[in-house]
Amino acid sequence: AQKVTQAQTEISVVEKEDVTLDCVYETRDTTYYLFWYKQPPSGELVFLIRRNSFDEQNEISGRYSWNFQKSTSSFNFTITASQVVDSAVYFCALSEGPRGSTLGRLYFGRGTQLTVWP
Amino acid sequence: DTGVSQDPRHKITKRGQNVTFRCDPISEHNRLYWYRQTLGQGPEFLTYFQNEAQLEKSRLLSDRFSAERPKGSFSTLEIQRTEQGDSAMYLCASSTPGTGGDYEQYFGPGTRLTVT
Repeated sequence: AQKVTQAQTEISVVEKEDVTLDCVYETRDTTYYLFWYKQPPSGELVFLIRRNSFDEQNEISGRYSWNFQKSTSSFNFTITASQVVDSAVYFCALSEGPRGSTLGRLYFGRGTQLTVWP
Repeated sequence: DTGVSQDPRHKITKRGQNVTFRCDPISEHNRLYWYRQTLGQGPEFLTYFQNEAQLEKSRLLSDRFSAERPKGSFSTLEIQRTEQGDSAMYLCASSTPGTGGDYEQYFGPGTRLTVT
């Protein structure tokens, strides 16, 4: 079973629109970490954010914001006032295990291709 | 501080040949990971090192795949007797535990393998 589900395969918006990328995860661990990565056309994965399972505070960084809700096992990502440079594939990922564990693998979703048109 | 580097960036090989990829992690990162990404999919975990010890291997890592990190710095991933299904982007990432045990993985640019 998929541990991370990104149901939106592709999203297209026009510049300055807000867009939300959905991520639903599945784990039995009580301690886990959630991540978002950006993969622009150049191909290199760029780290955006990490959240641990004990911190449900939403986070805002410039035009980016993240909404973590354990009750619905979701970790959604919103881009406000989107720009053409935001066009990329965005991946949500999950890491399981207790704090300090040697377990390190990331489980990635299939990604959401975001296209921002001028 | 340079990022994770991978060599080569592209490799085209004929089926049945052996290939080897190299990954140089961010200096002082003690954890190193290999992932494979096929078109339209997210990266899939292959294996993971902490220093020179290989601590976890995915079932995706068949007997034809072997990874090493002999001195706890750079790592190599070798694929023997390549098959067309091995065509993918091979990604390397490194990390180091933060003060609270949290960490994030920083990825290299990847090696794109095409098996003809």
